[in-house]
Amino acid sequence: AQTVTQSQPEMSVQEAETVTLSCTYDTSESDYYLFWYKQPPSRQMILVIRQEAYKQQNATENRFSVNFQKAAKSFSLKISDSQLGDAAMYFCAYKGGGADGLTFGKGTHLIIQP
Amino acid sequence: GAVVSQHPSWVICKSGTSVKIECRSLDFQATTMFWYRQFPKQSLMLMATSNEGSKATYEQGVEKDKFLINHASLTLSTLTVTSAHPEDSSFYICSASPIPGLGPYEQYFGPGTRLTVT
Repeated sequence: AQTVTQSQPEMSVQEAETVTLSCTYDTSESDYYLFWYKQPPSRQMILVIRQEAYKQQNATENRFSVNFQKAAKSFSLKISDSQLGDAAMYFCAYKGGGADGLTFGKGTHLIIQP
Repeated sequence: GAVVSQHPSWVICKSGTSVKIECRSLDFQATTMFWYRQFPKQSLMLMATSNEGSKATYEQGVEKDKFLINHASLTLSTLTVTSAHPEDSSFYICSASPIPGLGPYEQYFGPGTRLTVT
């Protein structure tokens, strides 16, 4: 079975600074997808960024970028120029190549200090 | 576009009763919908995969007879918690994968349903 590990229960960063959230995963599949989701207090899951395993180039979405190290099975999220609205729970998630659901990590609570 | 709704958003029921939660894709069709459970301050756990017109596939450890899933149409899946007990109190979230879609990774989440069993 696939597992997703987020080793940072909580992270704190000053507004406008850069923060990196870590995620590692374990799988024997060659075709899979990795995601970072944001869950604010409303609890609505919001997709932050997605990475296809077959793509070598790291995904980027505005201030959000990932460092995807396939051999190391590592998938970290970098948030640049942190904003107060970035404060939330962040979940790393894995999806196999078929019609599978998502396997989530335990999450990282991100605090933005003004 | 790509909106998923859940109804109700919050429900309180008495122990021993059953409660039904609806998950609808409002502007797209979905062959596959997923149901997750989230305990307070914890992560989401996949409960089951719901496929239109066929039986749901449950994850290991999820009681099929307690959590009945019906995917009667391409826009509606329901989760019925039967004979609910206080330990079933949780936040239930559904997601849906659209057809045609961008790929197997595309899915959209509903806003969740908070179930409290007294």
